[in-house]
Amino acid sequence: KAGVTQTPRYLIKTRGQQVTLSCSPISGHRSVSWYQQTPGQGLQFLFEYFSETQRNKGNFPGRFSGRQFSNSRSEMNVSTLELGDSALYLCASTRGAENTEAFFGQGTRLTVV
Amino acid sequence: KNEVEQSPQNLTAQEGEFITINCSYSVGISALHWLQQHPGGGIVSLFMLSSGKKKHGRLIATINIQEKHSSLHITASHPRDSAVYICAVRQGGSEKLVFGKGTKLTVNP
Repeated sequence: KAGVTQTPRYLIKTRGQQVTLSCSPISGHRSVSWYQQTPGQGLQFLFEYFSETQRNKGNFPGRFSGRQFSNSRSEMNVSTLELGDSALYLCASTRGAENTEAFFGQGTRLTVV
Repeated sequence: KNEVEQSPQNLTAQEGEFITINCSYSVGISALHWLQQHPGGGIVSLFMLSSGKKKHGRLIATINIQEKHSSLHITASHPRDSAVYICAVRQGGSEKLVFGKGTKLTVNP
């Protein structure tokens, strides 16, 4: 059974650009959550999608957005990149039912220069 | 104050030692997760607990719901256990996880 796949693994962008990250969950999983990890703030919740609907959103500016497709694959987009957006972006997939185990991808390391 | 507090922040041990990492939380939860993160970033889920105790190999996790406290124990620690261990809690009705700051464990041979 394939794990959670995130692409790309590494990305370098310039301030002001936009970026799209992709997450393919485990087959059969309907929920995808996104997290940002920085040395200063640790892991912080960005948003959660379940059956193509955003179910929960963290405290991030509107430059951060996401969506989920009918096959449960999810993308997140960051527009007008800032230096502070440099981070490891992780996604996690679950079945979506209460109290099911979360499986994480390897993450996308974004560097904004 | 963070909703999830872990201690210690850093831990150095000799191979073979018994390790304990603690996690306290201040909110009502539906489940608590222990996660392991190696350099390079990938996170592996070790345990998900809503009550009692779970064991997997040399790893044991316990949770006390009344005291809002969980512990992760590693018996007979090994250098390959060196990693960051993260406690995360899930509140009911959402897949959102709230994380502790992590405990960096180094096991020396």
